[in-house]
Amino acid sequence: EAQVTQNPRYLITVTGKKLTVTCSQNMNHEYMSWYRQDPGLGLRQIYYSMNVEVTDKGDVPEGYKVSRKEKRNFPLILESPSPNQTSLYFCASSLYRVNTGELFFGEGSRLTVL
Amino acid sequence: GNSVTQMEGPVTLSEEAFLTINCTYTATGYPSLFWYVQYPGEGLQLLLKATKADDKGSNKGFEATYRKETTSFHLEKGSVQVSDSAVYFCALSDRPGGGADGLTFGKGTHLIIQP
Repeated sequence: EAQVTQNPRYLITVTGKKLTVTCSQNMNHEYMSWYRQDPGLGLRQIYYSMNVEVTDKGDVPEGYKVSRKEKRNFPLILESPSPNQTSLYFCASSLYRVNTGELFFGEGSRLTVL
Repeated sequence: GNSVTQMEGPVTLSEEAFLTINCTYTATGYPSLFWYVQYPGEGLQLLLKATKADDKGSNKGFEATYRKETTSFHLEKGSVQVSDSAVYFCALSDRPGGGADGLTFGKGTHLIIQP
């Protein structure tokens, strides 16, 4: 089954404790992206990647890191989480070259930073 | 820059009512337009799209027409069901062919359908 898998789905952590949210897709997609969803603010892009070893900042990259060492994986790293990073996070992927405009989303990871 | 504006809601309707969710956009050139839907507890999924002016996208009884003269892409459905309760996102892409890497999303409209 074609899918984007995120882990963990739910996480409660404390300020300053490093964490990683993993994202994996099995569709051989070149393009991958991370978004955060907040009430009243909609979806905001954090980072994206056009292909392996190619990453770039989105609209709200502060406090986050990413890496793209393999085509299928695109982890989101919070080196020192703060309460303002409490949010619902989505990973998404797409066939970049086909340019269909269809993003495939994971089910989301709800993060709470105390 | 590009932007998408839509009502945030919540929009509450009775089952079998007619639905319209307004979406207007600002972009240079000729963007492609999309509606995504997010069901409770899930990620977003593409509902329909239109890539040029006057195109109509349709899926699952939903329709939207790309109106360049009014820069709009309103979502409509003739008779909604409880299962249509979700958050609906309007989006545009300014990439040639509508590439996903160029997507700009609206803030989402929360739709609640009551039996």
